Amino acid sequence: NAGVTQTPKFQVLKTGQSMTLQCAQDMNHEYMSWYRQDPGMGLRLIHYSVGAGITDQGEVPNGYNVSRSTTEDFPLRLLSAAPSQTSVYFCASSYGLAEETQYFGPGTRLLVL
Amino acid sequence: AQSVTQPDIHITVSEGASLELRCNYSYGATPYLFWYVQSPGQGLQLLLKYFSGDTLVQGIKGFEAEFKRSQSSFNLRKPSVHWSDAAEYFCAVGRLSGGGADGLTFGKGTHLIIQP
Repeated sequence: NAGVTQTPKFQVLKTGQSMTLQCAQDMNHEYMSWYRQDPGMGLRLIHYSVGAGITDQGEVPNGYNVSRSTTEDFPLRLLSAAPSQTSVYFCASSYGLAEETQYFGPGTRLLVL
Repeated sequence: AQSVTQPDIHITVSEGASLELRCNYSYGATPYLFWYVQSPGQGLQLLLKYFSGDTLVQGIKGFEAEFKRSQSSFNLRKPSVHWSDAAEYFCAVGRLSGGGADGLTFGKGTHLIIQP
């Protein structure tokens, strides 16, 4: 099993550009989440999904879109990148969102200039 | 809303010494509690978790944590640290809302430094 994979590992964007962060898991988990990690802030939940076709907002959803067309994939879209979105982004998957172990990907480091 | 406080931003411990990392949570009911570790440049890995039952929980790498409801705490301990334990440690609380899951709320993390 590859577990949770994320691409790209590192990306530089200019303000206003759009991009999609990819996340895939091969553990047949129903639940998938996106977090951002900023220095001194811990991890904050952006969006999550409880199954294919079902998504919901987390703590910091503004500026991000998600969709879940398959169980395996959960891409995160930045529609118009801003410097405030410079962060490290982690995707996670699990059998449950609050009570089960989250399996994290290696992260995507994003720099918005 | 639930919240998690990790009072110590940095902790320095000598190799072989004991370790305790503090975590306090705010939540109305019994929460789901977790400790995760993040090595430099890596994702997060679960150390241990508590849902119910025995309040002393054993985890991987020799770590344990004790749930104290009266103090709203879930402190992480290790009797003797190794240089490889240097990492960032996150406490997290999860809850299920009435209509579904709300996910995890993380503390801001404690950076553990190991002195030789």
